[in-house]
Amino acid sequence: GDSVTQMEGPVTLSEEAFLTINCTYTATGYPSLFWYVQYPGEGLQLLLKATKADDKGSNKGFEATYRKETTSFHLEKGSVQVSDSAVYFCALSDLGGNQFYFGTGTSLTVIP
Amino acid sequence: DVKVTQSSRYLVKRTGEKVFLECVQDMDHENMFWYRQDPGLGLRLIYFSYDVKMKEKGDIPEGYSVSREKKERFSLILESASTNQTSMYLCASSLFRTGGEQYFGPGTRLTVT
Repeated sequence: GDSVTQMEGPVTLSEEAFLTINCTYTATGYPSLFWYVQYPGEGLQLLLKATKADDKGSNKGFEATYRKETTSFHLEKGSVQVSDSAVYFCALSDLGGNQFYFGTGTSLTVIP
Repeated sequence: DVKVTQSSRYLVKRTGEKVFLECVQDMDHENMFWYRQDPGLGLRLIYFSYDVKMKEKGDIPEGYSVSREKKERFSLILESASTNQTSMYLCASSLFRTGGEQYFGPGTRLTVT
């Protein structure tokens, strides 16, 4: 079945450091891929998405490229800020299926 | 912007009580979902609905039921709350049944004592 695997946290970075959170997926069809962010005490917010191979999603300085050959959708940001401290979830929605699949989340803490 | 609202941010109930969690979306979405979120377990799907009066079980439906009488409203019901149902509950809606993004409410932190 479909699934998403993302790197375990927690991740702690200094401000202005480079961020990578790895995400790989398994899907039987042609999934759309997403990154969500959850700030403390809040629900999930869509951060970015990509709907087909080689698409790059981007938002607020974050980027992720849909790599079909490696079944990956890694999240990157060149220079993190304290305000980026949150939990990040990778997710997929497969056109052939009927559910949304989430990774277990990666907690990021950025220290000044 | 899509807005998904949940009736309470924090809720404290006693064991055995019947609990209603309400979710309303304002974008005419067909599809609505209830998840629970627990540390180390991520998000787990409880129930979802693709249309009014329709419901489908997710991965962990035991101990829960749902109601969808109107398109914009999806209720989660704990028939007899238990301490192992203490959790964060998240409601979501989506325009497309599959392939599209889900939009989430702020969550309800339920504590059962």
